[in-house]
Amino acid sequence: DAKTTQPPSMDCAEGRAANLPCNHSTISGNEYVYWYRQIHSQGPQYIIHGLKNNETNEMASLIITEDRKSSTLILPHATLRDTAVYYCIVRARGSTLGRLYFGRGTQLTVWP
Amino acid sequence: EAQVTQNPRYLITVTGKKLTVTCSQNMNHEYMSWYRQDPGLGLRQIYYSMNVEVTDKGDVPEGYKVSRKEKRNFPLILESPSPNQTSLYFCASSFTEGIQYFGAGTRLSVL
Repeated sequence: DAKTTQPPSMDCAEGRAANLPCNHSTISGNEYVYWYRQIHSQGPQYIIHGLKNNETNEMASLIITEDRKSSTLILPHATLRDTAVYYCIVRARGSTLGRLYFGRGTQLTVWP
Repeated sequence: EAQVTQNPRYLITVTGKKLTVTCSQNMNHEYMSWYRQDPGLGLRQIYYSMNVEVTDKGDVPEGYKVSRKEKRNFPLILESPSPNQTSLYFCASSFTEGIQYFGAGTRLSVL
């Protein structure tokens, strides 16, 4: 699985969009980008994933660059409850089943 | 409600006293995993299971055992706990690769 690089911390004003970047320059063609978040000591929560097209769900949007070397998770209207550590994970379909590699992630702090 | 349930949520024990942390999922998932989370080290996988009676080691299996006799249950067993197993433990299950559902966690202290 490709390695990812994320900034250690970011902050955002409540109600504004939070844009969380992730670099995955060694990503290969069959690897997906997954985003999870972990609110203080709770179990990680799946947010969204994509291969090459932009994706949107009720929680967030995922923008993947055309060369797929980086992506951005967008929380369109951040709230205080979005304060969490956000993990970007790159994983190939068919890789070791059940295994996810979590890095250090980005601590997002949403302030009032 | 779809969920992964771990018990207990908090546990304080002493060195050498066998313990089991239970994990149960109600989503009929084939894949289940155990992770531990330590400050500065992030989440590390202990064991995983691809189906009933099929288990394999993750990155940090030493000192742990698991079993998968039923699809819904995946208990984590510490036969002789030691202080270095003091940690926050998470169970997870998944149907689709990459999308895992996590339990609320078990905070274990071994004295």
